[in-house]
Amino acid sequence: EADIYQTPRYLVIGTGKKITLECSQTMGHDKMYWYQQDPGMELHLIHYSYGVNSTEKGDLSSESTVSRIRTEHFPLTLESARPSHTSQYLCASSPPLSATEAFFGQGTRLTVV
Amino acid sequence: AQSVTQLDSQVPVFEEAPVELRCNYSSSVSVYLFWYVQYPNQGLQLLLKYLSGSTLVKGINGFEAEFNKSQTSFHLRKPSVHISDTAEYFCAVNNGGYQKVTFGTGTKLQVIP
Repeated sequence: EADIYQTPRYLVIGTGKKITLECSQTMGHDKMYWYQQDPGMELHLIHYSYGVNSTEKGDLSSESTVSRIRTEHFPLTLESARPSHTSQYLCASSPPLSATEAFFGQGTRLTVV
Repeated sequence: AQSVTQLDSQVPVFEEAPVELRCNYSSSVSVYLFWYVQYPNQGLQLLLKYLSGSTLVKGINGFEAEFNKSQTSFHLRKPSVHISDTAEYFCAVNNGGYQKVTFGTGTKLQVIP
């Protein structure tokens, strides 16, 4: 059973607010990912990390930022939320240097009003 | 570079009928292939994976997939679908090492009563 957790599951917030989406995993995985997904649409990689202090932009440009200070924790921050940020955000992790699957959290559905 | 193409964005099928969801990949090295399922408002759940060995892979919920190296395909099949199979299905590839997991654009399976 995968152990990767995202909080909150749902968030409705006003324009201009700063928000942090939390993602934690207890599997000791080095690789972690953030995907953005509009309802019923494809996954877009927005951030990934190979390990502590390693973060890179993904394939889709995003105004969000991430940090990786601890192996188990990979939070995503929006300094000033806008309605265009309304989407579902999925966090995932996978072991290093191995060809195995990514494990996903349940996602955070963000609505900016 | 690795990539995945899911040829059908939507597949409607009657209940108890068979279904095939198509996936083609490209990779310059050995590949590891995955199928995920996503139910509404959920994260992605692994259905099955091909790492090596037998080219016919069986997964959860009665699904199976066949790895075909010559055709660079990894199609997902189920002999008899149920209403509960209605979901979105994502094919993914990972070359291992420091490569990211790459996802296809997804196929929505709609099972019609």
